[in-house]
Amino acid sequence: DQQVKQNSPSLSVQEGRISILNCDYTNSMFDYFLWYKKYPAEGPTFLISISSIKDKNEDGRFTVFLNKSAKHLSLHIVPSQPGDSAVYFCAASASTSGTYKYIFGTGTRLKVLA
Amino acid sequence: DAGITQSPRHKVTETGTPVTLRCHQTENHRYMYWYRQDPGHGLRLIHYSYGVKDTDKGEVSDGYSVSRSKTEDFLLTLESATSSQTSVYFCAISEGDRFADTQYFGPGTRLTVL
Repeated sequence: DQQVKQNSPSLSVQEGRISILNCDYTNSMFDYFLWYKKYPAEGPTFLISISSIKDKNEDGRFTVFLNKSAKHLSLHIVPSQPGDSAVYFCAASASTSGTYKYIFGTGTRLKVLA
Repeated sequence: DAGITQSPRHKVTETGTPVTLRCHQTENHRYMYWYRQDPGHGLRLIHYSYGVKDTDKGEVSDGYSVSRSKTEDFLLTLESATSSQTSVYFCAISEGDRFADTQYFGPGTRLTVL
């Protein structure tokens, strides 16, 4: 059973507009979340993280929102640029597990149109 | 650049042969991970290590073994390769910081099993 879900396999957005990528999780023990960006033929690159003690974290054009009651997080990219075109993965971890294992979603392919 | 290299970067092998992939880090991080990436499945954890000679299974460990005899090297072995193990394999490292843990990925190894 998929504990971390990215239900939109793909998303297209016009350059300059906002991109919103969504991620849902089922395990209420998850308390630390990461977002990664992946270009073809490269390894995933860390983008931004959020701990469950926060509901928002910003880093430049990237903001992650966490809604614990809904078990939902989203990544906002504003403004979107053509270089943002990539596959985005969310990942979740439970610090109480005593390990540092992450469960990854299946990814959303973002295409930013010039 | 997180100081992670993977070798080989590409490999084609035949069913039934053993294959070993190597991950090398220069960061002296405690945790190392092996993932596989497949269409529709995202990144799935195969095995991970939390120290020299300390390893544990991930969600898709059948058919794989690992070894970590030095902090900087983490080896993944396919004992008898099968076509279902055709995939892209990524190594990752992390410090194992409970409050700010982030995984950094290597460039990947594309493995084809004929």
